[in-house]
Amino acid sequence: GQQVMQIPQYQHVQEGEDFTTYCNSSTTLSNIQWYKQRPGGHPVFLIQLVKSGEVKKQKRLTFQFGEAKKNSSLHITATQTTDVGTYFCAERGGSGNTGKLIFGQGTTLQVKP
Amino acid sequence: DTGVSQDPRHKITKRGQNVTFRCDPISEHNRLYWYRQTLGQGPEFLTYFQNEAQLEKSRLLSDRFSAERPKGSFSTLEIQRTEQGDSAMYLCASSPGAGLAGYFGPGTRLTVT
Repeated sequence: GQQVMQIPQYQHVQEGEDFTTYCNSSTTLSNIQWYKQRPGGHPVFLIQLVKSGEVKKQKRLTFQFGEAKKNSSLHITATQTTDVGTYFCAERGGSGNTGKLIFGQGTTLQVKP
Repeated sequence: DTGVSQDPRHKITKRGQNVTFRCDPISEHNRLYWYRQTLGQGPEFLTYFQNEAQLEKSRLLSDRFSAERPKGSFSTLEIQRTEQGDSAMYLCASSPGAGLAGYFGPGTRLTVT
């Protein structure tokens, strides 16, 4: 079935260092969404990518959708302690038009001050 | 407050008991989803409603699980004869459309002892 693989599972960085998480699929994705979940919190929508090769930026965050629409990445420049949390990619899965999300396993980011 | 709300936030129950959770979505969202999240994993899809119609159920949703959305507004998720394996965070999300962002509630953390 549909599945998105996310790497790495964990990442520890020093504050100010960059961070990247990758999301890969064996099948072509219709779109990819990224969510952030703070410790003890719930997933919060960050962005959606739809077009092949699309790049979107939100301040220090850069999101990219691969040309073949089989992979995506989230890059954070100059991490801050407020970036701590787990970052999930999610694809819209299933037949029909349900809009249900199939999540990757997530990358947990720890930032040392 | 215009976000998704869930009640209760925490529930501790003994194995074999029944539990019911409630989700109030964002009022103008006609799509409502239930997900389950265990430690270290991404949310897993359980079921989906469009208005009052339950249109998809995951194979994860055993016969002990039932969900309703009687008037197309709030939804309830009931687990009968709880088992220790049911211990998880149960997340509700709503969305205004199939390809749009999911807005998650704070979740109900269930512990079965």
